Amino acid sequence: EPEVTQTPSHQVTQMGQEVILRCVPISNHLYFYWYRQILGQKVEFLVSFYNNEISEKSEIFDDQFSVERPDGSNFTLKIRSTKLEDSAMYFCASSEGPSGFYGYTFGSGTRLTVV
Amino acid sequence: QKEVEQNSGPLSVPEGAIASLNCTYSDRGSQSFFWYRQYSGKSPELIMSIYSNGDKEDGRFTAQLNKASQYVSLLIRDSQPSDSATYLCAVNSLKAAGNKLTFGGGTRVLVKP
Repeated sequence: EPEVTQTPSHQVTQMGQEVILRCVPISNHLYFYWYRQILGQKVEFLVSFYNNEISEKSEIFDDQFSVERPDGSNFTLKIRSTKLEDSAMYFCASSEGPSGFYGYTFGSGTRLTVV
Repeated sequence: QKEVEQNSGPLSVPEGAIASLNCTYSDRGSQSFFWYRQYSGKSPELIMSIYSNGDKEDGRFTAQLNKASQYVSLLIRDSQPSDSATYLCAVNSLKAAGNKLTFGGGTRVLVKP
C-alpha cells in the first residue's frame, strides 16, 4: 500500500536553530498538508499546499514557517528559528483530491524536540 | 466554541462488547466526516468516512451521521484489545479554502480482556 514517508523520525535541535522536515507524499496525490501534535494535545492544522502554492495556513504558521516542494516528489517544512514551544510531532499528509472526498493519508511523523 | 468536540475518555469496554464514540461539530456547513484511529506515538490512520445522514458500515465499524443535530458517532462491534487506541473525529468545513480537516481532541478507548 502506498505510504507517505517522513524523515527524520526524530530530530533534536537547539533553540534558535533552523530545521527542515522532509516528506515524500504518495506519488499521484495532489494535495499536501502539514499538521502538528503537541504531546497530549489535538492534531492541529498548519498549512495546506496545492498546485505549488499555499492554499490555507493557520495562525500557528507564522513567518518562522515555510513550505516548499523543491522537486516532483519532496515536500518540506522549514522552521527558521526554533522555539521550545515548537517541540511536537509533525505529520505530513497527502490526498489524491480534495480532502472532503478522500480524507488524508498521514506519514509516520517527525518528533521534533527543541532544547 | 470548540469546532469539533469529543469526550476525552477513557472509554473502558470489555472485550467483545460494543464501543460507542460520539463527536459534535459547530460548523453547520460541514460536509465530510472522518474517523481516524491513533495508537500512542503513532500517526492517525483513516478508518471510516461518511458524507450522508444515516449509517455506514465497514466490517466491525459503523459510522452514524446526523447533520441536523451536528453529530457523528462511531460504533466498534466485538471490541478487541487491539482496538485500544485514541479515536479522532475529523470534519471538512466549507469554510476551509485549503481543504483542511479539523480534528477533535480524540476519545481514548481501552478494551479490557
